[in-house]
Formats: sequence, structure tokens, C-alpha cells
Amino acid sequence: GQNIDQPTEMTATEGAIVQINCTYQTSGFNGLFWYQQHAGEAPTFLSYNVLDGLEEKGRFSSFLSRSKGYSYLLLKELQMKDSASYLCAVKSGWGGGATNKLIFGTGTLLAVQP
Amino acid sequence: NAGVTQTPKFRVLKTGQSMTLLCAQDMNHEYMYWYRQDPGMGLRLIHYSVGEGTTAKGEVPDGYNVSRLKKQNFLLGLESAAPSQTSVYFCASSYSRTSGSGPTGDQYFGPGTRLLVL
Repeated sequence: GQNIDQPTEMTATEGAIVQINCTYQTSGFNGLFWYQQHAGEAPTFLSYNVLDGLEEKGRFSSFLSRSKGYSYLLLKELQMKDSASYLCAVKSGWGGGATNKLIFGTGTLLAVQP
Repeated sequence: NAGVTQTPKFRVLKTGQSMTLLCAQDMNHEYMYWYRQDPGMGLRLIHYSVGEGTTAKGEVPDGYNVSRLKKQNFLLGLESAAPSQTSVYFCASSYSRTSGSGPTGDQYFGPGTRLLVL
């Protein structure tokens, strides 16, 4: 079956660092995405990992371990505007019939407090 | 570029009524998708399309139909709306960039349509 798990909610303080974990079990793996979604808005792309290791983009970093079926999103120097839901998604398709279909987790609602 | 647009933004239907949600993208993307998002359920794929004239079922296709007559448009139809279809509907598109390892590409989302079925 297909399963993606991430914590439902997290709280952190402005200026701090927070790590949002995601574990997955999918039939096939062709990359893992992290999206940010502010309340009432559309998801927006944050990061993509297809190989093991850390990808860094400014204050945001994402890590992947394919053997463990595990990823995390690291947010540094938290700002109030980082309060949002963070969605982990796995692309499980492969080959000539691949469609870029994504399987989404239920999202982690991050609240950044002053 | 407008990116991905959706119409309408909000709609109230009575049970049994029909409606069509329109998604348009101006990025020349090959792939398009329709999702619904419900509290505690995450984004679930309804139908998708890998090119003009093609459609396929996703995870939760029952009660919905789609059409992709033009590359830039992807329509989602509800023939007979039910209260269980109350949700936020997102359209997304992605490009197909085939490398030696297979296609990649993140999805670009529209602003969403909030549908309430009474």
C-alpha cells in the first residue's frame, strides 16, 4: 500500500530551528517533494530530493534517506510568516508511463510563536 | 504569465445539481491534475491528464468526470452533486522533462475552488 506519515501539528518559536519529519511506504519511488501551504491558499513548491542527502535552499533544507523511507524539512531562523502547513509528497511513478503523480501526506501545521 | 487559474473561486450547490470547474494554465505544461483537499485527509488525486485528449482516474474518481480538449484547459465535472463532495478543489499542472532517469517536475497549483453542497 501507499502510506505517508508526518506529524499533525508542531509549535516553534520565532528565530529557532524546527525539523518536520516524513516517513513513507510507497510502491516505487521517484522523488520526494515538500510543499508549503498557507491557510486558504494553494500549495507552493519548496524542495525536491531524489538522491540521499541534504538539499539546502536558503533557510530551508530537506534531507532524504531512501533506505529508511525517511525525509525531513529543516527550517532555520523561523519567522512568523513560516506559520503554515507543510506537505510531504512522494512521486511513485516511473518509466515511460510516469505521470508525475504525487501521493501527499496529510500535512504538518506549524505555528510559529513570538 | 498567470500560471494556473481556476474558476469559480467559490460555489454553493444543492444536492443533485451539476457544475463544471475550469482549470487553465499558460505554461504549456503537458500534465494536469485535479485534487480535492479535506481536513485530516490531505490532497487526494481525483483525475489527471498526461496530454491533450487523454484522461485517467486517480485515487478518488467516483462522482467526477474530466475532459482535456485543449492542452491548456482541464475541466472537472460533477454530474449530480452530493454533500460528500463538499471540499476544496485544486488544479495543478507540471511539465514533462524527460532525462535519462525519467521525467521530473514539480506541480504548480491553482488558487482552489471552494465548493459547498447542501
